[in-house]
Amino acid sequence: DTGVSQNPRHKITKRGQNVTFRCDPISEHNRLYWYRQTLGQGPEFLTYFQNEAQLEKSRLLSDRFSAERPKGSFSTLEIQRTEQGDSAMYLCASSSWLGKETQYFGPGTRLLVL
Amino acid sequence: GESVGLHLPTLSVQEGDNSIINCAYSNSASDYFIWYKQESGKGPQFIIDIRSNMDKRQGQRVTVLLNKTVKHLSLQIAATQPGDSAVYFCAENNAGNMLTFGGGTRLMVKP
Repeated sequence: DTGVSQNPRHKITKRGQNVTFRCDPISEHNRLYWYRQTLGQGPEFLTYFQNEAQLEKSRLLSDRFSAERPKGSFSTLEIQRTEQGDSAMYLCASSSWLGKETQYFGPGTRLLVL
Repeated sequence: GESVGLHLPTLSVQEGDNSIINCAYSNSASDYFIWYKQESGKGPQFIIDIRSNMDKRQGQRVTVLLNKTVKHLSLQIAATQPGDSAVYFCAENNAGNMLTFGGGTRLMVKP
């Protein structure tokens, strides 16, 4: 399978703990995106990388959130001091650099903060 | 599996009928639009896209229509099948690289 992969698929944590999610994009794609989706809503943009550079960040991305893409391949999204309001599906997408190419999504990581 | 959306507008169609799902977008500067299908517990799956210099684009069993005058997008699915049951989102891309998603419509196909 050469699509976008995300790990873990599910994560249950206690409030105040830190969590880290991983995304592996489609191999030839140099753009990578993180979105968050809550029940009943469409995905909301969090941040975007072109290669290893983080070029855009949403106001939704509080200082407890940090994303990295150190070698321009896989990316990690870390949430520190999780809160119950962080419970959501975290989606990763990737696209190629040629204009507004289609973003292809991974299966997501479902986070539940107790 | 878990539900993608609990309180979404729902379109219920009979198997074999055609389905039309509508979407109003917000930004008149948006120049690229995508329809995604999302099944329960899965990420959004690309269906079809259209650029603002087009009014219509056809794929396999799907057609997207774009009306820029009223900022309206529609997805037509021909001969709807049970496997088409899912939540459908339209998304717009303007000058930036982020996608802005609409609220979603749940399609239910009755056998």
